[in-house]
Amino acid sequence: RKEVEQDPGPFNVPEGATVAFNCTYSNSASQSFFWYRQDCRKEPKLLMSVYSSGNEDGRFTAQLNRASQYISLLIRDSKLSDSATYLCVVNRAAGNKLTFGGGTRVLVKP
Amino acid sequence: DGGITQSPKYLFRKEGQNVTLSCEQNLNHDAMYWYRQDPGQGLRLIYYSQIVNDFQKGDIAEGYSVSREKKESFPLTVTSAQKNPTAFYLCASSKSDWNYNEQFFGPGTRLTVL
Repeated sequence: RKEVEQDPGPFNVPEGATVAFNCTYSNSASQSFFWYRQDCRKEPKLLMSVYSSGNEDGRFTAQLNRASQYISLLIRDSKLSDSATYLCVVNRAAGNKLTFGGGTRVLVKP
Repeated sequence: DGGITQSPKYLFRKEGQNVTLSCEQNLNHDAMYWYRQDPGQGLRLIYYSQIVNDFQKGDIAEGYSVSREKKESFPLTVTSAQKNPTAFYLCASSKSDWNYNEQFFGPGTRLTVL
């Protein structure tokens, strides 16, 4: 089993719709969780950290479910500019080494 | 402007040659990391450094070497021993080797072996 697993997609989303996707992780000792966004042929950029209580940043909402070991990302009112690959990132038990999922591709269409 | 720079953006190399990728940061971050990304895949950790003059192997260190002589700089050498070096190489840094510290990435170097 991979340490961090994501549905690769693509998720084809009409502009203005809501899309949500999950990521599962295998290390129950993980403490830090992030969503990064990566545009084609560019570097990953931090979208948001994921906190235990769940958190929201504008149209983006992240949730953490420790019991089932997954995190989720929800995008409301999708924009064309939201088209990207979203990387689920989990820290390892020791130190700040991160494990990256393979990414979920989202395509927002007019 | 604070950030991470990588050079060159594109690099072509003949088989059997060593090549060094540059990574510089002016964020005053203690920790630096090198990853490689292959098409359609996630990032894999090559080497990381928590402090000057110290570094550790990541998950796929074979065929690579690094140095950390200055806090700002963490160059990566791809040696001829690396069997499949064509990939997108990303350098990152973070404040310290503690939990909850996000990593910030440079723009990457795309290496192609001819």
